[in-house]
Amino acid sequence: DAMVIQNPRYQVTQFGKPVTLSCSQTLNHNVMYWYQQKSSQAPKLLFHYYDKDFNNEADTPDNFQSRRPNTSFCFLDIRSPGLGDTAMYLCATSNPGDTQYFGPGTRLTVL
Amino acid sequence: RKEVEQDPGPFNVPEGATVAFNCTYSNSASQSFFWYRQDCRKEPKLLMSVYSSGNEDGRFTAQLNRASQYISLLIRDSKLSDSATYLCVVKSTGGFKTIFGAGTRLFVKA
Repeated sequence: DAMVIQNPRYQVTQFGKPVTLSCSQTLNHNVMYWYQQKSSQAPKLLFHYYDKDFNNEADTPDNFQSRRPNTSFCFLDIRSPGLGDTAMYLCATSNPGDTQYFGPGTRLTVL
Repeated sequence: RKEVEQDPGPFNVPEGATVAFNCTYSNSASQSFFWYRQDCRKEPKLLMSVYSSGNEDGRFTAQLNRASQYISLLIRDSKLSDSATYLCVVKSTGGFKTIFGAGTRLFVKA
């Protein structure tokens, strides 16, 4: 089945230790998104790629970076995680203007 | 004011009940509207898109009121499996910016 895959599903890291989350898709969608969702809150868009074009949300901290080496893969790098970065990180894909399909998420805990 | 607002609930209803959720949005230029369902500790999944003329999918009916800037979701004959958080989603004109509401929690009880 075509799908959005995220790895790892669970990640525990130490305060300040860089971490990379991975997202891959078999849907061949042009757009890939990264969201952060904290407990009982709405998913918050961090940034998205339209093909190779990177689009950062104005309020996304510099601590969060992303890479998209090809159509299928997109990575979220957190350079120096803080305790406040503990959250679920959701990857989604879509074609422009279409419905977004979400991966299962990576639950990140920063200790 | 938040860009997308929902009543967080929780709504506690018995099986078979009809329940309705509303969602308001602040950007009058918003073009696309959706309802997503999110189960506890899972990813959001598309429930239905919301069209200007209103649309129905089985027990679920979605309505859009552009003049008042709100969308609604009606669930008829509630099932235990409908228990979840329902997220209202608004997308900007021609762009990719997608704003989620914080969700409305629904508990359906036997």
